Amino acid sequence: SQELEQSPQSLIVQEGKNLTINCTSSKTLYGLYWYKQKYGEGLIFLMMLQKGGEEKSHEKITAKLDEKKQQSSLHITASQPSHAGIYLCGADQRGKLIFGQGTELSVKP
Amino acid sequence: KAGVTQTPRYLIKTRGQQVTLSCSPISGHRSVSWYQQTPGQGLQFLFEYFSETQRNKGNFPGRFSGRQFSNSRSEMNVSTLELGDSALYLCASSLMGAGYNEQFFGPGTRLTVL
Repeated sequence: SQELEQSPQSLIVQEGKNLTINCTSSKTLYGLYWYKQKYGEGLIFLMMLQKGGEEKSHEKITAKLDEKKQQSSLHITASQPSHAGIYLCGADQRGKLIFGQGTELSVKP
Repeated sequence: KAGVTQTPRYLIKTRGQQVTLSCSPISGHRSVSWYQQTPGQGLQFLFEYFSETQRNKGNFPGRFSGRQFSNSRSEMNVSTLELGDSALYLCASSLMGAGYNEQFFGPGTRLTVL
């Protein structure tokens, strides 16, 4: 079965710094989702990537999908305290989503 | 458009009881998926309903069941509760399902089994 591994597991950055979170799949990625979660709450949809080489941006967050490497990256530019939370990648596995273990991001003011 | 709503938000039950959770998807969405989130196992897929039919199922025991109504609202039921069923239960709705469209999640129901 397919597995997703996120790195790093946790990250502490100074406000204003850039950061990258990676999501690596054990199998070919056909659809990759990025979500953000505040502890104990629901998931907020960030982006969905479906094609190799696809890149999407929303405000200061950019996500890319590299199918050959079976990997996706999430990049945050000029981080702010509002970016703090748990970032989860999810992959479509024949109609159901499987998720990575999450990356916990803290942003120090 | 209103987002995905889940009721109740919090539940406390004792072992052996059963529980029913409810999920109302975004208007027009026909797919509803359920997930269990625990600190140890992370987010795990339970099942998906599309147009009142179960279309996908995860690796959970038969104590976990669900259904979907004609208005796309969905319920999940857990019978004979165990301590390990304590978790955040999330539902997600989409137009056609994961892989086709974005999935939008509700705020979750926090279930505590004592």
